[in-house]
Amino acid sequence: QSVLTQPPSVSAAPGQKVTISCSGSRFNFGNNPVSWYQHLPGAAPKVVIYDNDKRPSGIPDRFSGSQSGTSATLGITGLQTGDEADYYCGIWDGSLSTGILGGGTKLTVL
Amino acid sequence: QVQLVQSGGGVVQPGRSLRLSCAASGFIFPNYGMHWVRQAPGKGLEWVAILWPDGSQEYYADSVKGRFTISRDNSKNTLFLQIDGLIVEDTAVYYCARNSGNYLNFDYWGQGTLVTVSS
Repeated sequence: QSVLTQPPSVSAAPGQKVTISCSGSRFNFGNNPVSWYQHLPGAAPKVVIYDNDKRPSGIPDRFSGSQSGTSATLGITGLQTGDEADYYCGIWDGSLSTGILGGGTKLTVL
Repeated sequence: QVQLVQSGGGVVQPGRSLRLSCAASGFIFPNYGMHWVRQAPGKGLEWVAILWPDGSQEYYADSVKGRFTISRDNSKNTLFLQIDGLIVEDTAVYYCARNSGNYLNFDYWGQGTLVTVSS
């Protein structure tokens, strides 16, 4: 079980909004920001949010990130069928000098 | 454009060794920390290892410590992962990834290479 906890699955209809949480009681995401990755089947993962709330170029503004203390959230608005993927949060644990990835959340767009 | 092209996967017997490669282009390779991340069949992504830009520091997941060695040749813009004493649980798609910035941010990924450990 990962020290970053994500819900196993979320779902919503096309056009709706969904949020995916990532909690890690050992971390203060304000000081140690989280990144989020979209992993489509058969493809390499892709960063969609870094440093808690920054979007890389090419990522639509339908994707957003936020954090509060030991919890971070990925938000996706205007859901499209192409958003169906597994989403992972990630963080660097400076005390253990290891990277940590959450268990992943499967997004289904109904 | 940034590219990470991987090679070296395959089917290997338990106990044998394997070396994965990740050839980088389109950026100044010595300026970036590099990671390996893997995904076992039906499982989530698992961080494996990181190597500092100058190769001075390397860190590993507990699950691979002592068997995996990350290295790089900055003169050839190439990252490596040496896997010794392969076990069935090492069966996975392995990805190399570039880190950007001061925190965890895999901003570019290789295409992935499948390692299957089987007798």
